[in-house]
Amino acid sequence: EAGVTQFPSHSVIEKGQTVTLRCDPISGHDNLYWYRRVMGKEIKFLLHFVKESKQDESGMPNNRFLAERTGGTYSTLKVQPAELEDSGVYFCASSQDWLREQYFGPGTRLTVT
Amino acid sequence: QKEVEQNSGPLSVPEGAIASLNCTYSDRGSQSFFWYRQYSGKSPELIMSIYSNGDKEDGRFTAQLNKASQYVSLLIRDSQPSDSATYLCAVNDYKLSFGAGTTVTVRA
Repeated sequence: EAGVTQFPSHSVIEKGQTVTLRCDPISGHDNLYWYRRVMGKEIKFLLHFVKESKQDESGMPNNRFLAERTGGTYSTLKVQPAELEDSGVYFCASSQDWLREQYFGPGTRLTVT
Repeated sequence: QKEVEQNSGPLSVPEGAIASLNCTYSDRGSQSFFWYRQYSGKSPELIMSIYSNGDKEDGRFTAQLNKASQYVSLLIRDSQPSDSATYLCAVNDYKLSFGAGTTVTVRA
């Protein structure tokens, strides 16, 4: 069974540009989560999808971040316009239900210069 | 007070010894608890999950949960050099809250 995949693995963009990150969850997992780790800090929750619906987006930093999960399969996280403080590693995770184990993808390292 | 606190590291243990990792959490309503292992530059890898009070063993790993004390721990028996990594405690309340992690080094 394929694990959670993310694309790209690394992105370097300039301040003010737009970047879109993609996550493909484990097949059959209705729950999809985005997390972020910025330098020197703990991994922090961004948002949670159940199928195509946003269950909780309380962790989204501001309205420059937009997440979508059309059709309840893969998800995208767009940052527009990117700021320096957006640099970090963005992880996606998926689970069968909210109480069960969450499996993480390899992450996307975003560097904003 | 942080939501999830882990014992500060780094923790250095000799090969073959037991590594003991501790974690406390603030939300009494939390229902599931996970331990992840993270190698440098890699993503968190799930190694243990625990849902009810008591011990849960899986190979060389034992997780312990005490909801009354809001405490969860991980024991690594017969530590191997390959166990050298950062261990993250995560508490699930519809979303994961992570501790800062404890870095473990196993000395050969």
